Amino acid sequence: DAGVIQSPRHEVTEMGQEVTLRCKPISGHNSLFWYRQTMMRGLELLIYFNNNVPIDDSGMPEDRFSAKMPNASFSTLKIQPSEPRDSAVYFCASSFRLADQETQYFGPGTRLLVL
Amino acid sequence: GENVEQHPSTLSVQEGDSAVIKCTYSDSASNYFPWYKQELGKRPQLIIDIRSNVGEKKDQRIAVTLNKTAKHFSLHITETQPEDSAVYFCAASMGGYSTLTFGKGTMLLVSP
Repeated sequence: DAGVIQSPRHEVTEMGQEVTLRCKPISGHNSLFWYRQTMMRGLELLIYFNNNVPIDDSGMPEDRFSAKMPNASFSTLKIQPSEPRDSAVYFCASSFRLADQETQYFGPGTRLLVL
Repeated sequence: GENVEQHPSTLSVQEGDSAVIKCTYSDSASNYFPWYKQELGKRPQLIIDIRSNVGEKKDQRIAVTLNKTAKHFSLHITETQPEDSAVYFCAASMGGYSTLTFGKGTMLLVSP
């Protein structure tokens, strides 16, 4: 089991540029979560998909952020245009949501620095 | 929505001592309470979880207790070791399509 895979692991970009983060969930999992982690705000849920459908995007900070899940094995989080305050570690997590099964498994994260 | 408060924010102990981290939650409908450990520069990893139909759960040196009436749950680590040093997060969920609400984290430092 390869676990949740994220790419890139590190991203340095300039303000105004588009950033795309990628995630491959654990095979067979039907729920996918995007989180943002900063020292000031802790671990924040940005968006949650179930069976490839966005269920809760209330955590998406603003229209500059968008997320897609075109199939069960791939998701993207896009920031356009990026700003320095978007600098953070972005985690993708997946779980198999059935009855009481809710354990989330996190990917290694993408460290984003916007200059 | 759910609100999870976690205390303390930092905890320093000597190797071999016990460590206790406490969390409170606001929504009595929450029924799943996991704890995650995050080492520096690494991903959060589940170390133990408990459901509302159980009052206590143990796994070697780690235990979690749940008080549904008071709406609080705690992580207990006995015989702490330097490798236990990390940030620990508690979380709560109401199940169904609800998501995890995380506490702000506790930085545990175990000194040799």
